[in-house]
Amino acid sequence: GQNIDQPTEMTATEGAIVQINCTYQTSGFNGLFWYQQHAGEAPTFLSYNVLDGLEEKGRFSSFLSRSKGYSYLLLKELQMKDSASYLCAVSSSGGSYIPTFGRGTSLIVHP
Amino acid sequence: DTGVSQDPRHKITKRGQNVTFRCDPISEHNRLYWYRQTLGQGPEFLTYFQNEAQLEKSRLLSDRFSAERPKGSFSTLEIQRTEQGDSAMYLCASSTGDSNQPQHFGDGTRLSIL
Repeated sequence: GQNIDQPTEMTATEGAIVQINCTYQTSGFNGLFWYQQHAGEAPTFLSYNVLDGLEEKGRFSSFLSRSKGYSYLLLKELQMKDSASYLCAVSSSGGSYIPTFGRGTSLIVHP
Repeated sequence: DTGVSQDPRHKITKRGQNVTFRCDPISEHNRLYWYRQTLGQGPEFLTYFQNEAQLEKSRLLSDRFSAERPKGSFSTLEIQRTEQGDSAMYLCASSTGDSNQPQHFGDGTRLSIL
């Protein structure tokens, strides 16, 4: 099976930087996805990592270390609209390549 | 491309009734997934289709749940003899055939069992 762990909740200040961590245990790792989900809405794709290192996409960056089973999502210049749940999902051959989601991290951005 | 659409958006029913949800994926996507999500949790995998073939079902999926994708396009998820524990958001997602491609989610069907 797969085990994915994320913090339940984080708070941050508008304009700041926040790092949301995700650790996982799986066999046959094939890639890691990050999604954003606003309350009552569908998850939307943010990033995909399959190789070690940092992927930068505007204000959002995602990092992966396969040897450590660790990823993080970095959000810069936080805006109020970034208040949402951030979901880490892992694809692996052990899971038939079907992404398995963590419980999500609820990020609250305050003024 | 209008994205993934799900119908209905909300469903309220009494315990013991049967319900059916529909999902229309992005037209060129051959993979279709059903997930269930409860408050404060991530999406939990239920079942997966590649074209019309149902290739994977969660071991947690009760035999009261059945899904079809008869022509490899839209899909339906039926829950028979609903129980209060079935109350959740049911999400449908679709993707292309490559495992490195992201899933595109619909807005979900929120099921409430009275």
